[in-house]
Amino acid sequence: DTGVSQNPRHKITKRGQNVTFRCDPISEHNRLYWYRQTLGQGPEFLTYFQNEAQLEKSRLLSDRFSAERPKGSFSTLEIQRTEQGDSAMYLCASSLDGAYEKLFFGSGTQLSVL
Amino acid sequence: AQSVTQLDSQVPVFEEAPVELRCNYSSSVSVYLFWYVQYPNQGLQLLLKYLSGSTLVKGINGFEAEFNKSQTSFHLRKPSVHISDTAEYFCAVSDTGGFKTIFGAGTRLFVKA
Repeated sequence: DTGVSQNPRHKITKRGQNVTFRCDPISEHNRLYWYRQTLGQGPEFLTYFQNEAQLEKSRLLSDRFSAERPKGSFSTLEIQRTEQGDSAMYLCASSLDGAYEKLFFGSGTQLSVL
Repeated sequence: AQSVTQLDSQVPVFEEAPVELRCNYSSSVSVYLFWYVQYPNQGLQLLLKYLSGSTLVKGINGFEAEFNKSQTSFHLRKPSVHISDTAEYFCAVSDTGGFKTIFGAGTRLFVKA
C-alpha cells in the first residue's frame, strides 16, 4: 500500500490559465473521488469515478472543470480559464467498492490563482 | 440528500482533560457515519466508522463515538487528550445505497499544556 499520490503539491497560476492535476490512487481501489477544500471548511465533493466511468459530478462544478480516469487507473482534473475563486486545496481519495469503505486521501494539490 | 453539522468550529482543551466533539447529521435514508482526522500538513485519515450494530464505536488513538439515531448525532469523545491530538476533525456521512461521502466543516481541536 503506497498510498494515494497527488501531483503537483503546489500550483501557482495566473487568472485565465489552464491547470491540470494528477492523482494516482491505491492500485486495487475501484473508486476515485475528487474533493475541494477551502480554509476553514470540510472537503466538498466534486466528482466520482467507478473504474473509468465518471458516475457523478457535483452541480457546484462549472463547465470549466473536467476530470478523466482513463483505463480506471490514474485520474486528472483540469480547470480551464482559472478564476481567483478556484484557489483551494484539491484532494483526491480512493476506496474499495462499498459506501461503507473508508476513503484514503492524498496530501492534495494547493492551487493559488493570482 | 445528506448533510452534516459540526457544532463547534474550535475546541480548546487542556492536556489530560476529556473532550467531546459534536456532530449532527441529516438524512432521509440509512447512513454510514465516519470521523476523519487531519493532522497539520497531513492528509485526512479515518479515525472510526459506524456501519451498524453497537452504537458505541471505538477508533484509533483512544477515540470513540456514539451513534444516536433519535437525536441524529454521532459525537466523538476521548477521556484524556494529549498534545498530539491537536488536529482538525471531520464528521462525515454516506448513504448506505450510494457512494458519496459528505463532510462537515470540521472542528479544530487545540490541546494546551
